[in-house]
Amino acid sequence: EAGVTQFPSHSVIEKGQTVTLRCDPISGHDNLYWYRRVMGKEIKFLLHFVKESKQDESGMPNNRFLAERTGGTYSTLKVQPAELEDSGVYFCASSQVSNPSSYNSPLHFGNGTRLTVT
Amino acid sequence: LAKTTQPISMDSYEGQEVNITCSHNNIATNDYITWYQQFPSQGPRFIIQGYKTKVTNEVASLFIPADRKSSTLSLPRVSLSDTAVYYCLVTEGDTGRRALTFGSGTRLQVQP
Repeated sequence: EAGVTQFPSHSVIEKGQTVTLRCDPISGHDNLYWYRRVMGKEIKFLLHFVKESKQDESGMPNNRFLAERTGGTYSTLKVQPAELEDSGVYFCASSQVSNPSSYNSPLHFGNGTRLTVT
Repeated sequence: LAKTTQPISMDSYEGQEVNITCSHNNIATNDYITWYQQFPSQGPRFIIQGYKTKVTNEVASLFIPADRKSSTLSLPRVSLSDTAVYYCLVTEGDTGRRALTFGSGTRLQVQP
């Protein structure tokens, strides 16, 4: 079974530019999450998709961040325009099923995208 | 969400048993306790999850006392490859909201 894959693994952009991160979850996983670790701080939740719908986007820092999951498969996270404080590692995770009784199914994480904004 | 507290770091030697305790005094009735392991340049990896008493799998054991205000991850006979950061999380069982913050984790260093 292929794991969660993220692309690119590294990205270096200049302040003001746009970057799009991609996440391919494990096939069949309805739940998809984005997390990030900024400047060596703790890993924090950004948002949660159930299939193509945003279930919880309370962790999105501001409107420069846009996440999509068209068709309920892969997801993209766009940062436009990027700022210096956006530098960090962005993790994607997925988990099985979407019925309430299985909400505690383990998260499977990708290896992250390291974003550097200069 | 219940806040978790765990030691910043621990040291051990190969072959020893390692116990990492996590405090979660404000855990709610429907919350679960989950532990993840993270190696450098990788995403966190699920180790074990429990609700109460004891859970064991091929990797670790998780001990949860009756009051559930703490939990202990037990790694039997650690090896050098167990050197990693270990995170304790509390997950809301009702809503499915995932722990919004992983916390600082416990950095385990295993020496020969």
